[in-house]
Amino acid sequence: DTAVSQTPKYLVTQMGNDKSIKCEQNLGHDTMYWYKQDSKKFLKIMFSYNNKELIINETVPNRFSPKSPDKAHLNLHINSLELGDSAVYFCASSLYRSSYEQYFGPGTRLTVT
Amino acid sequence: EDQVTQSPEALRLQEGESSSLNCSYTVSGLRGLFWYRQDPGKGPEFLFTLYSAGEEKEKERLKATLTKKESFLHITAPKPEDSATYLCAVQGAGNMLTFGGGTRLMVKP
Repeated sequence: DTAVSQTPKYLVTQMGNDKSIKCEQNLGHDTMYWYKQDSKKFLKIMFSYNNKELIINETVPNRFSPKSPDKAHLNLHINSLELGDSAVYFCASSLYRSSYEQYFGPGTRLTVT
Repeated sequence: EDQVTQSPEALRLQEGESSSLNCSYTVSGLRGLFWYRQDPGKGPEFLFTLYSAGEEKEKERLKATLTKKESFLHITAPKPEDSATYLCAVQGAGNMLTFGGGTRLMVKP
């Protein structure tokens, strides 16, 4: 059974388009996250979502928006895609927000042309 | 701002050759230091959490230790299947994880 799943695995799109990435966790965790891993392999937190409380990394452009239909899902919507958005995006979840290990999904490789 | 620096960036070992990976950090109010393993094309896989200086944790050939300024991941008698990128992250008062750039480990048979 997959703990944290993401779709799609690969996403190729053109500049200016709007796209979404879906994430689901079946671990019963309370908190979900979105990370961006750039070409240099640095993982950077984008959002943390817990009980409808959203914490945003201040460096994330407002073209990115997370949406959580329920506790097990956290989707990432990206508007007006730019070349610099090309990266691998990881979803993760943890039991609680503080001091608990996070479990990561397999990643979505986004390529903007 | 929390910062994490990992060294070396890449490490080549022969099978059985023990070594250590370093993670230096600055954080306001350490809540936890985490080690992850990442294989190519996959998401990071959780290995250890350390909470306070002096703490140690072990799993198979891996042992993680923590001081007030750094953490080490010791690999004893590594095997080719230990080849991966090892990521260190800290969680500070803001509850967000800050990751280092990782150490890419290659173990040759």
